[in-house]
Amino acid sequence: EADIYQTPRYLVIGTGKKITLECSQTMGHDKMYWYQQDPGMELHLIHYSYGVNSTEKGDLSSESTVSRIRTEHFPLTLESARPSHTSQYLCASSRTRGNEQFFGPGTRLTVL
Amino acid sequence: DAKTTQPPSMDCAEGRAANLPCNHSTISGNEYVYWYRQIHSQGPQYIIHGLKNNETNEMASLIITEDRKSSTLILPHATLRDTAVYYCIVTPSYDKVIFGPGTSLSVIP
Repeated sequence: EADIYQTPRYLVIGTGKKITLECSQTMGHDKMYWYQQDPGMELHLIHYSYGVNSTEKGDLSSESTVSRIRTEHFPLTLESARPSHTSQYLCASSRTRGNEQFFGPGTRLTVL
Repeated sequence: DAKTTQPPSMDCAEGRAANLPCNHSTISGNEYVYWYRQIHSQGPQYIIHGLKNNETNEMASLIITEDRKSSTLILPHATLRDTAVYYCIVTPSYDKVIFGPGTSLSVIP
């Protein structure tokens, strides 16, 4: 069973607040990803990392930022949340060689 | 990354085989074919992958044409729980994963 965790599962927050979405995995995977998905729409890659101190922007422009200080932890931060950030955020991880990704349960973010 | 083309939707009768096609005519020699599925709003689930040989596991079979320009995911006995969006992705094993629109499979009782 995959061990990848995301917190919080649900978040309702006001405009302008700073938020951090947490993602942790206990599988020792080097590669980690953040995807954004609106209901009924495609998954969009917004950030990814190949390992500690490695972060890259994905194919969808995002106002969020990420950090990778530890292998197991890949948090995503929004400095100033806006209603346009309302979406589901999915975190995933995989081994260095191989793209069998394991996904977390997701965080549903609502910005009022 | 090579692009893939999948039909937007398909229906399959419960108990029958579901055959989901994917075209990837610009695939490179070092790119694998990966299949994932996403049930409702859950995170995608890995199904199977292959390079050039056909592959089978407990979930599905993957048939890749000899020229590698297309593939078919086969669910041998579809159940209602197989209703999902199925994604075909081609990428090197060391690179990132980009999801396209996929095929929405509806398994009908």
